[in-house]
Amino acid sequence: QEKVQQSPESLIVPEGAMSSLNCTFSNSASQSIWWYQQHPGKGPEALISIFSNGNKKEGRLTVYLNRASLHVSLHIRDSQPSDSAVYLCAVSTYGSSGNKLIFGIGTLLSVKP
Amino acid sequence: DMKVTQMPRYLIKRMGENVLLECGQDMSHETMYWYRQDPGLGLQLIYISYDVDSNSEGDIPKGYRVSRKKREHFSLILDSAKTNQTSVYFCASSFAGRSDYTFGSGTRLLVI
Repeated sequence: QEKVQQSPESLIVPEGAMSSLNCTFSNSASQSIWWYQQHPGKGPEALISIFSNGNKKEGRLTVYLNRASLHVSLHIRDSQPSDSAVYLCAVSTYGSSGNKLIFGIGTLLSVKP
Repeated sequence: DMKVTQMPRYLIKRMGENVLLECGQDMSHETMYWYRQDPGLGLQLIYISYDVDSNSEGDIPKGYRVSRKKREHFSLILDSAKTNQTSVYFCASSFAGRSDYTFGSGTRLLVI
């Protein structure tokens, strides 16, 4: 069973700063890696995904993937109070029950004005 | 409006009662999912449905069953609820083979 671990558990940054979140996974043959954002009382929302080694940039978000070290990171530039949420790392895998996402426990990001 | 709707939002049941959680989507997604989310454990997959009457166990199916008779509707049933089934339950949907799931807002179930 794929394992997904996230660090740190929580992160506090000032408004305008860079937020950096980390995720490690256990299977280098995993398919795509996803980041989801979850606000209190809401369901997760897909933010950004990456499949190939290297980086991918979308707006203020940049994701870095290194399959050799089984590590992916999410960086949020110019963090805003509205970015405060739990960020979930998810790994897409194929198994006996087909394609599914395995989620980490999450990182709680608080952006202080 | 593309969304996943879960009913009810909050539910309190006594141990031993049957529980029905309902989920609907308006995006014609083939695949639907039920997850539960608990502190310290994260989201855990209960069941996957690939289409009508095509369901597969996830990672923690014990104590649950599902029903999908229409593509847009997926139900989670707890027969004789237990206190350890107290949790937040999320339904999600996606196109076949895709990993950008659309989640509902969850049902908060308390079993006393």
